[in-house]
Amino acid sequence: DGGITQSPKYLFRKEGQNVTLSCEQNLNHDAMYWYRQDPGQGLRLIYYSQIVNDFQKGDIAEGYSVSREKKESFPLTVTSAQKNPTAFYLCASSRWDLNTEAFFGQGTRLTVV
Amino acid sequence: AQTVTQSQPEMSVQEAETVTLSCTYDTSESDYYLFWYKQPPSRQMILVIRQEAYKQQNATENRFSVNFQKAAKSFSLKISDSQLGDAAMYFCAYRSADSNYQLIWGAGTKLIIKP
Repeated sequence: DGGITQSPKYLFRKEGQNVTLSCEQNLNHDAMYWYRQDPGQGLRLIYYSQIVNDFQKGDIAEGYSVSREKKESFPLTVTSAQKNPTAFYLCASSRWDLNTEAFFGQGTRLTVV
Repeated sequence: AQTVTQSQPEMSVQEAETVTLSCTYDTSESDYYLFWYKQPPSRQMILVIRQEAYKQQNATENRFSVNFQKAAKSFSLKISDSQLGDAAMYFCAYRSADSNYQLIWGAGTKLIIKP
């Protein structure tokens, strides 16, 4: 079945550590996105990528980094520079068309301990 | 820049009744798409329904329908015959070519279904 897989589902990070969240899709979508969701809030865009080896900052990119070496994969690294990383992270993908919806993974809950 | 506003943080409805969730947006564009997504307790985002701005006819998907009023920039979601499984957060989203195809999200409405 086609879809998006995020791993791990839960992740714990010590202060000062970098952690990487995985996102893989087999939908042959060009575009991939990372969102952050805090309690009671909507989704905020961290980074997005339209094609391999290219990505753009979203609204809250500070303290995060990404790579897009393969079409299927778009990992997100939460660096120690991110001051408040505890949140729910959602990865999505879509065709690069106006009229198509985004498909989402099941999310990763990151907690700083 | 485009914005999306969901003015109802929480709504409740009796099972089997009808509920309407509000969404308004601000844009100067004429070509765009609107979406309603559902996020159940599992937190997986699921597309409920979408509407093309150039279409005057309101989209429907089984028990879900929209009331799209382009001039008023309003895009409400009506859920008929509410079921316990409809309990979730509902997000309205806007997508346009001018925003580089980005999805602009509302803050969400929590829908509670009373048995």
